[in-house]
Formats: sequence, structure tokens, C-alpha cells
Amino acid sequence: EPEVTQTPSHQVTQMGQEVILRCVPISNHLYFYWYRQILGQKVEFLVSFYNNEISEKSEIFDDQFSVERPDGSNFTLKIRSTKLEDSAMYFCASSERGRTGELFFGEGSRLTVL
Amino acid sequence: SQQGEEDPQALSIQEGENATMNCSYKTSINNLQWYRQNSGRGLVHLILIRSNEREKHSGRLRVTLDTSKKSSSLLITASRAADTASYFCATDAYNAGNMLTFGGGTRLMVKP
Repeated sequence: EPEVTQTPSHQVTQMGQEVILRCVPISNHLYFYWYRQILGQKVEFLVSFYNNEISEKSEIFDDQFSVERPDGSNFTLKIRSTKLEDSAMYFCASSERGRTGELFFGEGSRLTVL
Repeated sequence: SQQGEEDPQALSIQEGENATMNCSYKTSINNLQWYRQNSGRGLVHLILIRSNEREKHSGRLRVTLDTSKKSSSLLITASRAADTASYFCATDAYNAGNMLTFGGGTRLMVKP
């Protein structure tokens, strides 16, 4: 069964460092998302991406965040200069039909900022 | 902001009992979805109910939607220990583009 894969599963970084989280969405999906979850709490929307551009972003997704689909298969989230409060589980999701259909989530990348 | 809020935050029941979780939201929606998350894992889609539907079933799951009260409920019948997980509702608002907003979740524990 097709699945969304994310790497790395866990990354530890120093405050101020740049981090890139990678995702391979399901191949025929057109809508891509990043969410984050702090310590098993609320799942927070970061950004949605469609047709090679950001379609929506939340207040969390400030200038320190960026997304890219560099090669037609990978979907990356970059945090330019990490802060302690960026420590969270980051989930990538993809969908065939956007919000009108189900989202398929990866297993997440745990980011720990020291 | 458009957001689903689940109630209760935590629920503990015995195997075989039914579990009911509720979700309330603030603005008009197109669809409401329920997802499940095992501890430390990704979310898994359970069921989608459209704003013009009132009830939907899938196996042991029953979802209701009351758009006049801006609320939904997820009922799991004859619960099993394997149903232990967090359950989230997710909503999309009319003017929110592709955004799907999740609530805080209900942590369900089913004791064998």
C-alpha cells in the first residue's frame, strides 16, 4: 500500500542551526501538508502546498520556515534558524483531493532543539 | 479561528464498552473528518462526513454531525484494547482553501 515516508525519524540540533525535514508523498497526490505536534498535544497546521506553491500557511509558519518540492517527488520543510520552541514532531501529509478527501500522514520527524 | 475541540480530553473504559467522543467547531464547514493516532505515530484517517450528511457508519465506528450545533460525535462500539489511541476531529472551513484544522484530541484508553 502506498505510504508517505519521512526522514529523518529523529533529529537533534543546536539552537540557531538550520534543519531540513524530508518527505516523500504518495506519488499521484497533488496536495501536500506539514503539521506539527508538541509532546502529543494538539496537531497544528503549518502549511499546505499545491501546484508548486504555498496555498495556505498558519501564523506559526513565519519567515524562518520554508517549503520546497525540489524534484517532483520530495517535499521538504526547512527551518532556517531553530529555536527551542521548535522542538516537536513534524508530520508530512499528502492528499489526492485536498481537504475534501483524506490526508495520508507519514510517521513523523521528531525534532529536538537544544 | 476555525478549530475543532474534542471532549472529553481523556476517556478510560473497559473492553466491550462503547466509547463516545465529541467535537465542536466554530464556523461553517464543508466536511468533518476523524483521525486516530497511536502513541508517537502518524495520524490515520478513519471517516469523513460531509456537511449535508447527518450520520455515517464504518465497521464499529459511527459518526454523527449536527451542523446547527456545530458538533460531531464519534462512537466506537464494543471497544477493544487495540482501540487505545488518541482521536482527533479535523474540519475545513468554506473559505480556508486546502487547510484542514485539527482539534486537541481525545485520549482513549481501553482496559482489557
